[in-house]
Amino acid sequence: EVQLVESGGGLVQPGGSLRLSCAASGFTFSIYDMHWVRQATGKGLEWVSPIGTAGDTYYPGSEKGRFTISRENAKNSLYLQMNSLRAGDTALYYCTRVAVADFAFANWGQGTMVTVSS
Amino acid sequence: QSVVTQPPSASGTPGQRVTISCSGSSSNIGTNDVNWYQQLPGTAPKLLIYSDNQWPSGVPDRFSGSKSGTSASLAISGLQSADESVYYCAVWDDSLNGLVFGGGTKLTVL
Repeated sequence: EVQLVESGGGLVQPGGSLRLSCAASGFTFSIYDMHWVRQATGKGLEWVSPIGTAGDTYYPGSEKGRFTISRENAKNSLYLQMNSLRAGDTALYYCTRVAVADFAFANWGQGTMVTVSS
Repeated sequence: QSVVTQPPSASGTPGQRVTISCSGSSSNIGTNDVNWYQQLPGTAPKLLIYSDNQWPSGVPDRFSGSKSGTSASLAISGLQSADESVYYCAVWDDSLNGLVFGGGTKLTVL
């Protein structure tokens, strides 16, 4: 059974940093693209960042220069290093696995909550 | 404001067929595949339809997807109370160079 378990969320002050982790199991982690998706409380879904099987990354929005996605295949783990955090980054962060088609998030973790507040 | 637009709400009665629309443009829906997600209250989203009209394993065929031009639709037939959920469409946008989600449609089963 595919499992994705996020951790590392918490309360951080504006300008602070957090490192999110996602432990994957039940599949061959190294051969799947992985993404982070976030959701502010009561709001919709927002794509954060992808990482390919070769470690190729992309940062589509305001996260550019502040967030770094990485993976450690030997540990079946996905990470998101978040720096210079802002109130607008407050959200539930989901780790997702792409399967069946491009950008089709076939599996999701339960999410880890990040709250940026003074 | 997302570049792909969904109605904020939809409703139907048990057994009815309802459709949820996702309206975009030539740079997203008109060119790329649409995926649909269901998010039950308090849970993570679940992939419901991929590549416009394909079912992931385990998804009942009461759910179906379609696309025409720059709009996509999710249809749910034989509506059940368990289908009360928020539904999101998602598609790659060539202009933005990014994946965009619709704002979500909250389905109420009356």
